[in-house]
Amino acid sequence: SQQGEEDPQALSIQEGENATMNCSYKTSINNLQWYRQNSGRGLVHLILIRSNEREKHSGRLRVTLDTSKKSSSLLITASRAADTASYFCATDQVSEKLVFGKGTKLTVNP
Amino acid sequence: EPEVTQTPSHQVTQMGQEVILRCVPISNHLYFYWYRQILGQKVEFLVSFYNNEISEKSEIFDDQFSVERPDGSNFTLKIRSTKLEDSAMYFCASSELLGGNEKLFFGSGTQLSVL
Repeated sequence: SQQGEEDPQALSIQEGENATMNCSYKTSINNLQWYRQNSGRGLVHLILIRSNEREKHSGRLRVTLDTSKKSSSLLITASRAADTASYFCATDQVSEKLVFGKGTKLTVNP
Repeated sequence: EPEVTQTPSHQVTQMGQEVILRCVPISNHLYFYWYRQILGQKVEFLVSFYNNEISEKSEIFDDQFSVERPDGSNFTLKIRSTKLEDSAMYFCASSELLGGNEKLFFGSGTQLSVL
């Protein structure tokens, strides 16, 4: 079944740098969402981008969506140590569920 | 901000035993979900629930699994006879909007360990 696949699997950067994570998927979607998960905790919704949108901003987050390439990217600008977490994309596959990828584990070193 | 609450936070059980995982979704939400995450793996969909019935379920959600909304506030996941491979973090989620797949609010999860 279709699922979002994030890359890289792991990313380590220094505080203040930008972090870019990518997500690819395989079938048509209504929307794509990004979630964050701190270790051992639940997922927290960050941002949703609809299939007819190309770019969306929320604070230090910037999400792009390219439906022709079936891909999305999440950019976190001016990263902080507190941004350390796993980041998941989730696709709404015109069904009753969101399908999550395997996630990118981001480490921001102080 | 309202939140989804799950109990217990940890559950240890013997293989073959029944477990019930409990969730209290956000009160005005219409769609409810269970997901699970085996350690270090992706978050997997189990089941969605709307209008007091299952609206979709995955291949993982076999006859050993059931869900219930017994009293209008709680949403439970029952595993009838647990297996070792059921060990995972189980997340409950809810969403407000009809159609469901807008912003999901997740609980902090129940870590299930089957011995």
